[in-house]
Amino acid sequence: ETGVTQTPRHLVMGMTNKKSLKCEQHLGHNAMYWYKQSAKKPLELMFVYNFKEQTENNSVPSRFSPECPNSSHLFLHLHTLQPEDSALYLCASSQDRQGNQPQHFGDGTRLSIL
Amino acid sequence: AQSVSQHNHHVILSEAASLELGCNYSYGGTVNLFWYVQYPGQHLQLLLKYFSGDPLVKGIKGFEAEFIKSKFSFNLRKPSVQWSDTAEYFCAVNAEAAGNKLTFGGGTRVLVKP
Repeated sequence: ETGVTQTPRHLVMGMTNKKSLKCEQHLGHNAMYWYKQSAKKPLELMFVYNFKEQTENNSVPSRFSPECPNSSHLFLHLHTLQPEDSALYLCASSQDRQGNQPQHFGDGTRLSIL
Repeated sequence: AQSVSQHNHHVILSEAASLELGCNYSYGGTVNLFWYVQYPGQHLQLLLKYFSGDPLVKGIKGFEAEFIKSKFSFNLRKPSVQWSDTAEYFCAVNAEAAGNKLTFGGGTRVLVKP
């Protein structure tokens, strides 16, 4: 049990669909993150939220839209994705954005774009 | 570009053999260093971390890592591996110079043969 829960675990969608990924953390953390893990590439940071405010957008295309309604929940809204967006999307949380805080990861959502 | 490098993509070894995984980074200044492990079918979890003090840090499951500042390295070691150490290992660096973004290496897949 990681304390960070992601749903769904798997998602298959067409390029014109709209879907959302959900992340919930039960650790009382204040910072939350979205990462993309593609085959043969390092984990890529996408977005960072600290105390519900977005503090980092790592040049992510606008077809990915994050939302953080509170410190425990993080969403990633998906719209008109491309085949190259197929990947494992990981959510993580940490106590805060200080550099020495380890991040706790969820199991990820494996996304396949048809 | 500044980065985190893990030199070995795949390592295969037998039980009781010693393991050393290399990690080098290119950031100057203050860094916080982490090793994460991902066992088959499981989420990323923290193995150990370094942010100050003794450069030789001990983590869970008998792992240790040594921070050598002059070499920009943070190599992971285990004197005697077990079959259950089969996993993918990720080095990660949080650097002030990179705006405190956690940057991951490409990962090393370790297969321990029984």
